[in-house]
Amino acid sequence: EPEVTQTPSHQVTQMGQEVILRCVPISNHLYFYWYRQILGQKVEFLVSFYNNEISEKSEIFDDQFSVERPDGSNFTLKIRSTKLEDSAMYFCASSVNPRGMENTEAFFGQGTRLTVV
Amino acid sequence: GESVGLHLPTLSVQEGDNSIINCAYSNSASDYFIWYKQESGKGPQFIIDIRSNMDKRQGQRVTVLLNKTVKHLSLQIAATQPGDSAVYFCAESGGSNYKLTFGKGTLLTVNP
Repeated sequence: EPEVTQTPSHQVTQMGQEVILRCVPISNHLYFYWYRQILGQKVEFLVSFYNNEISEKSEIFDDQFSVERPDGSNFTLKIRSTKLEDSAMYFCASSVNPRGMENTEAFFGQGTRLTVV
Repeated sequence: GESVGLHLPTLSVQEGDNSIINCAYSNSASDYFIWYKQESGKGPQFIIDIRSNMDKRQGQRVTVLLNKTVKHLSLQIAATQPGDSAVYFCAESGGSNYKLTFGKGTLLTVNP
């Protein structure tokens, strides 16, 4: 069964360092998303991406964050200068279509646990 | 701001019983709702969705009920099994075409 894959599963980084979280969405999906989940809290939307541009982003997704689809399969989230409060589980998701159409459900990856020390 | 929230943070049931997990939403523009299951250390797993033009939708052992009058959503799991133990999140897509707004989650524990 197709699935969203994320690497690495766990990333430890020093405060102020740049990190890149990687995702391979399901191959026929066209819409890509990043969410994060701080330990014990709810899942929060960061950004959605379609046709090589951001469709929507949240207040969390400030200038320190960026996304990119560098090739036909990968979708990355970059945090330029990590802060302690960036420590969270980061989930990539993808869907065939956006809401309002058929096949709109988003499928999530297993997540990357980011720990900023 | 508008939000999606859950009534009960924890629910403990006996194996074989039916489970009901509730969710309230406040965004009147919400027209698409999803239930996700999250097991420890894993990403959210899609269970079932429902659009606002429906009141009820059934899947395999799961039923989602939507009451738009009181902005309430529920997930019913029939014959709950130990493998159903997880955190369950409701999510709504509201006026957005792209993002999901998640509730806080309910921890379901199934006792053998």
